[in-house]
Amino acid sequence: DSGVTQTPKHLITATGQRVTLRCSPRSGDLSVYWYQQSLDQGLQFLIQYYNGEERAKGNILERFSAQQFPDLHSELNLSSLELGDSALYFCASSAGLLQGGYGYTFGSGTRLTVV
Amino acid sequence: AQKITQTQPGMFVQEKEAVTLDCTYDTSDQSYGLFWYKQPSSGEMIFLIYQGSYDEQNATEGRYSLNFQKARKSANLVISASQLGDSAMYFCAMREDWGAQKLVFGQGTRLTINP
Repeated sequence: DSGVTQTPKHLITATGQRVTLRCSPRSGDLSVYWYQQSLDQGLQFLIQYYNGEERAKGNILERFSAQQFPDLHSELNLSSLELGDSALYFCASSAGLLQGGYGYTFGSGTRLTVV
Repeated sequence: AQKITQTQPGMFVQEKEAVTLDCTYDTSDQSYGLFWYKQPSSGEMIFLIYQGSYDEQNATEGRYSLNFQKARKSANLVISASQLGDSAMYFCAMREDWGAQKLVFGQGTRLTINP
């Protein structure tokens, strides 16, 4: 167990639907990063939250949104789903200002399949 | 903008041989970090090794070493004495040492170890 919990692990839904992916960061970590990994692709950065505030935005579609709650868990909302949104969605957490090679902890991912 | 390039989509290596996975990067920052992650078929992201841009020595972690050539902007991963369990996707990533400190990933190399 990495300390970062992502739920659900698997999700199958139809086109046009809306889903919510949840991430609980490692205890004490203030930052949450969301990444999307499409089939045989690298991880694409979507969005980062730090202590409840949005800190950075990547290639996140307008149909997608996220938030971080006071208890520091984060949710990624995906709406009007398309077949191309099928991917593995990772959450990673960190304590804050990073030094050295450590500090990122990845969850095991949510595999979303849109049919 | 930061960019990571991994030019080897797939590699096949005999067990017990050494293997080098290539990674080049592009950044205008002076301070940054370089990472390698392993992603087995189960999907989780496993941290392997880190190199800071100001580190003078090449990083080593057990059978993993990072061949860091700053002037050439390359950060190749070397795996010595490969094992069947090394078969996986390998991702090179870079972190900016300021701002969001997000990780930017390459497209990955699929390594297959043959017995």
